[in-house]
Amino acid sequence: EPEVTQTPSHQVTQMGQEVILRCVPISNHLYFYWYRQILGQKVEFLVSFYNNEISEKSEIFDDQFSVERPDGSNFTLKIRSTKLEDSAMYFCASRADRGNEQFFGPGTRLTVL
Amino acid sequence: AQSVTQLGSHVSVSEGALVLLRCNYSSSVPPYLFWYVQYPNQGLQLLLKYTSAATLVKGINGFEAEFKKSETSFHLTKPSAHMSDAAEYFCAVSSEYGNKLVFGAGTILRVKS
Repeated sequence: EPEVTQTPSHQVTQMGQEVILRCVPISNHLYFYWYRQILGQKVEFLVSFYNNEISEKSEIFDDQFSVERPDGSNFTLKIRSTKLEDSAMYFCASRADRGNEQFFGPGTRLTVL
Repeated sequence: AQSVTQLGSHVSVSEGALVLLRCNYSSSVPPYLFWYVQYPNQGLQLLLKYTSAATLVKGINGFEAEFKKSETSFHLTKPSAHMSDAAEYFCAVSSEYGNKLVFGAGTILRVKS
């Protein structure tokens, strides 16, 4: 069964460093998403991406964040200069053109020290 | 704007007992509603979805949910709890053509033997 994959499963970084979180969505899906879940809190929407551009973003998704689909299969989230408060589980999700359920990856746990 | 409220951050039931997890939503447009389950150290797995067809929706693992517009509710039930049902459950809402999912805070289900 096709699934969304994410790498790495756990990333530890120093405050101020850049990180890139990688996702491989399900192959025939057209809509891509990033969410995050700070420990003990709700899953929060960050950004959605369609047709090679951002279609919606939350107020969390400021200039420190960017997304890219560099090669037609990967979907990446970059944080330019990490802060302590960026520590969270980051989930990638994808959705087909028809139907509106989103399929989630297993997540990347980001720890900023 | 859309929002979800899940009543009860923790629910404990005995094995074989009825499971009832509560979800109330707020939406200015017809909602699409979802229940996701998250097992420890795993991603979010779709249990079931409501997309304006039948109001009683059956999902995986014996779970079902009923959409009640008059009560703005979408409670999740299972007639007989199993130890393997212990997990965190998230209710989420989106609009028909909307992009993002808005999640509730989650309910941790504990199943006692």
